[in-house]
Amino acid sequence: EIVLTQSPATLSLSPGDRATLSCRASQSVDSFLAWYQKKPGQAPRLLIYDAYNRATGIPVRFSGSGSGTSFTLTISSLEPEDFAVYYCQQRTSRPPWAFGQGTKVEIK
Amino acid sequence: QVQLQESGPGLVKSSQTLSLTCTVSGGSISAYNYYWTWIRQHPGKGLEWIGFVHSNGDGFYSPSLKSRLTISLDMSKNQFSLRLTSVTAADTAVYYCARDQDRYGVDVWGQGTTVTVSS
Repeated sequence: EIVLTQSPATLSLSPGDRATLSCRASQSVDSFLAWYQKKPGQAPRLLIYDAYNRATGIPVRFSGSGSGTSFTLTISSLEPEDFAVYYCQQRTSRPPWAFGQGTKVEIK
Repeated sequence: QVQLQESGPGLVKSSQTLSLTCTVSGGSISAYNYYWTWIRQHPGKGLEWIGFVHSNGDGFYSPSLKSRLTISLDMSKNQFSLRLTSVTAADTAVYYCARDQDRYGVDVWGQGTTVTVSS
């Protein structure tokens, strides 16, 4: 079973700052990794699939990178609506497709 | 546009069986290569992947829930369901049904339904 570890647990930033979130896999997932945004009271939203492809309607300030066991989600300039919890999820042909424990991006 | 809607009891007694249904509208549950998925979030915690049933009927469950879990399709009603037996307080969570497109991720979600397990 592939385990994902996200860091940091919490990121305290201001609007306009750059956010860099990390996700590490316990074994290689090639580029089969997705990122989601979760806000309180809302369903999660798919941001990135295949490590770097933006999902439909996702703003260009969100970008993903990485392969193998190390991945990054970058938000180039935080908008007020971007303060949320972000999760990575492995998408290889080997379920379970577990999530990382999440990174909370909070307003500093 | 495909939409998903969860339904089921908001309150279940400990040791009983939790049954939830997800109704799919705007598309066929048997179409293409979709994994019809359940995900939950415990209060104040992260997302927990529960399992899926593929549009061809195959399924895969979280190892931690496998002994208590069944996810099934009802083609005639365009629905899929979750059945979790012997629930405890640890099963209290918001449950989401979702459409998973394999490597392309979970792209459609229900709004979520809150389930509380009472003693």
